[in-house]
Amino acid sequence: SQQGEEDPQALSIQEGENATMNCSYKTSINNLQWYRQNSGRGLVHLILIRSNEREKHSGRLRVTLDTSKKSSSLLITASRAADTASYFCATDEPGNKLVFGAGTILRVKS
Amino acid sequence: DAGVIQSPRHEVTEMGQEVTLRCKPISGHDYLFWYRQTMMRGLELLIYFNNNVPIDDSGMPEDRFSAKMPNASFSTLKIQPSEPRDSAVYFCASSRGRVAKLFFGSGTQLSVL
Repeated sequence: SQQGEEDPQALSIQEGENATMNCSYKTSINNLQWYRQNSGRGLVHLILIRSNEREKHSGRLRVTLDTSKKSSSLLITASRAADTASYFCATDEPGNKLVFGAGTILRVKS
Repeated sequence: DAGVIQSPRHEVTEMGQEVTLRCKPISGHDYLFWYRQTMMRGLELLIYFNNNVPIDDSGMPEDRFSAKMPNASFSTLKIQPSEPRDSAVYFCASSRGRVAKLFFGSGTQLSVL
């Protein structure tokens, strides 16, 4: 089952622009995580935001969480070609499972 | 630390054969997860272990799939007999604590012909 659903499915932008990806989920959560996956590689953890947090920053990444809307967003500022990857949100379901969404494919054109 | 190590990196086998995937988690991590990734179904959690004990195997698709963790530094995922629909990338991940970030291996690309 997929708890988190990312939107859009694919995003193509120019280098230097900002990229925003959204994640919606269905049940209450303890935390939400974002991961990046480069083609042919494993997933790499980007950031974790807890349910009692509203915003978190890490370098060029900004994550927001709105538990009332059951949604989160990942903003990548000043994108680079190296940011080209798939981005996944993951939520911890009741029963202690970490479930991943379908992902957003980001392409940054140089 | 070398990170999570999976082997083999690629596996091509014929339908009906037994397949064994291997994983070495990061030392000190007490949780180990097996995921399967396909274009159609995305990332699916198959099973996870805590301190070498299987906690939830509800994601294991069929009895053909089995997983073991005989010690803290080794886990296997076995498919017997394999079928073409098992073709996917299988990832192993480990973490320190349940509510924690996962460290993924590079995955095993399995092709069942």
